[in-house]
Amino acid sequence: DVKVTQSSRYLVKRTGEKVFLECVQDMDHENMFWYRQDPGLGLRLIYFSYDVKMKEKGDIPEGYSVSREKKERFSLILESASTNQTSMYLCASSFLDRDPYEQYFGPGTRLTVT
Amino acid sequence: QQQVKQSPQSLIVQKGGISIINCAYENTAFDYFPWYQQFPGKGPALLIAIRPDVSEKKEGRFTISFNKSAKQFSLHIMDSQPGDSATYFCAASKDSGSRLTFGEGTQLTVNP
Repeated sequence: DVKVTQSSRYLVKRTGEKVFLECVQDMDHENMFWYRQDPGLGLRLIYFSYDVKMKEKGDIPEGYSVSREKKERFSLILESASTNQTSMYLCASSFLDRDPYEQYFGPGTRLTVT
Repeated sequence: QQQVKQSPQSLIVQKGGISIINCAYENTAFDYFPWYQQFPGKGPALLIAIRPDVSEKKEGRFTISFNKSAKQFSLHIMDSQPGDSATYFCAASKDSGSRLTFGEGTQLTVNP
């Protein structure tokens, strides 16, 4: 079974704090993704990576950065958390060239910024 | 700007009924259309997918209908069951790539 794990299920941070969300996959997938999920807005892509040290902006990258130093690990960084970043964050992974459209998701991290 | 529009936002169906969720897109470069299912507390998981060279794909009680000229596709759940209660997302990708654009989601409730 493919497993995508996220470091925390729930996180509460204060405005201005630096926040790290970690994601690890065990399927040797080339692609990794970070989304945020908000009611009525669906899943919106923040950043994705198709290889170690490679990254591409998604639809809503402002206020976020990412790091991929190892193939299995993809980190999302909120440099200075703001209340409008309160959301559910989902990590996903997929193969680059074998069924790349089938993304495997982690359970999500619900982040609250106060 | 949402490139994939999904409706309805929520849907309540009686057990045994048919659930229908609709999606529309603008970008004709989209060439793969998956549906994802998400249960509470879980991440989404791929349910069924279709390419635009076919008009329909069926897997068990789940069917995707695709209308290329209208740029619309829909998910039909036949004989809906309470266990189908979940949030459903349509999505689209282009150029056979990995990047997906998701719809807004539909929260389906199937009453016993």
